[in-house]
Amino acid sequence: LAKTTQPISMDSYEGQEVNITCSHNNIATNDYITWYQQFPSQGPRFIIQGYKTKVTNEVASLFIPADRKSSTLSLPRVSLSDTAVYYCLVGGYSSNTGKLIFGQGTTLQVKP
Amino acid sequence: GAVVSQHPSWVICKSGTSVKIECRSLDFQATTMFWYRQFPKQSLMLMATSNEGSKATYEQGVEKDKFLINHASLTLSTLTVTSAHPEDSSFYICSASSVRALSGEQFFGPGTRLTVL
Repeated sequence: LAKTTQPISMDSYEGQEVNITCSHNNIATNDYITWYQQFPSQGPRFIIQGYKTKVTNEVASLFIPADRKSSTLSLPRVSLSDTAVYYCLVGGYSSNTGKLIFGQGTTLQVKP
Repeated sequence: GAVVSQHPSWVICKSGTSVKIECRSLDFQATTMFWYRQFPKQSLMLMATSNEGSKATYEQGVEKDKFLINHASLTLSTLTVTSAHPEDSSFYICSASSVRALSGEQFFGPGTRLTVL
């Protein structure tokens, strides 16, 4: 399974755009890149998933360069409620029974 | 989106007793369910992978006789913590996935807080 590396923590202010980059140098050909958000004492919540190039949904964008060795989660105009831990994971059923191994994640603190 | 529930949401038990946690996929068939454990301020740690109708696959270091997993149907998996001790106190989270989703997207339950006295 590909290992991921993310910054341990990030600070931002309300209304700013936040970009969190994740490195996954050993990503396999069939791996997908998925980002989850977790609040304290809750299960992770799916944010966005992609395979290559750019994916956008109503809450975030995911940028994946051509070599797929990294990805960047972009949160536009964050609010205090976006304070959470964000996890980047790579994997998929084609790679390894679909199991995901969580790294340390990035703790995002949004300040007023 | 797909919904996964867990029951109970929290449980307190005495040392030596067994506790069963249920994980249900409410609106889709989960060919695979996963069980995680999370200690305070730490990341999720995968305990085991459970496929419907077959034995669970445990991660290295997880005692299969202590953490019994049953995946009897495509919508239900259970985790039983046998002879629980205070060190088993943790936040247990399940997730469910369908093999038809080649991306392996997992849908997580809300978690179960276990406190062993």
